[in-house]
Amino acid sequence: DAKTTQPNSMESNEEEPVHLPCNHSTISGTDYIHWYRQLPSQGPEYVIHGLTSNVNNRMASLAIAEDRKSSTLILHRATLRDAAVYYCILRDFYNQGGKLIFGQGTELSVKP
Amino acid sequence: EPEVTQTPSHQVTQMGQEVILRCVPISNHLYFYWYRQILGQKVEFLVSFYNNEISEKSEIFDDQFSVERPDGSNFTLKIRSTKLEDSAMYFCASTLGTDSNQPQHFGDGTRLSIL
Repeated sequence: DAKTTQPNSMESNEEEPVHLPCNHSTISGTDYIHWYRQLPSQGPEYVIHGLTSNVNNRMASLAIAEDRKSSTLILHRATLRDAAVYYCILRDFYNQGGKLIFGQGTELSVKP
Repeated sequence: EPEVTQTPSHQVTQMGQEVILRCVPISNHLYFYWYRQILGQKVEFLVSFYNNEISEKSEIFDDQFSVERPDGSNFTLKIRSTKLEDSAMYFCASTLGTDSNQPQHFGDGTRLSIL
């Protein structure tokens, strides 16, 4: 699985949008971009994934660069509950049932 | 919403003792996983299990570790003779797996403390 690079930490104010960046310059054509997060004292939790087009779901939006070498997870209005470590992970479409490879992720803190 | 459950939430064991960590994956899922996270470090893959056999394992998953799905619902991780460095959070996960983009669903983990 290709490597991703994320900032170690970011800060946000409550109710403001948050943009969490991820670089994946060696991404291959069959790699999907997945985001997970880990709230304090909990297991990781799936957030969103995409291939080329931007994606939205009830938790977040995912913006993918045209060359696919970077992506941004967008939380439209951060809440205190969004304070977590966010992981950007590449998954090969053909690796059915394959493991997740976690990096250090970005630790997001949200200030009231 | 169905969830992965793990027991116990915290296990304290003497070094050298055997320990079994238990997980109940989501009922219709096909792939099962164990990960661990040493305090302050990243989440690391240990093993994946599909069709009643190990499909992949990491270097961490040596002969001291084993996994089993003894019935249709439980998925266990056994550490035969625990070491101090086995102290960590252990997470079980499962996925439907029919599509490689199916998310993995994680339990809230078992904190294993080796004395």
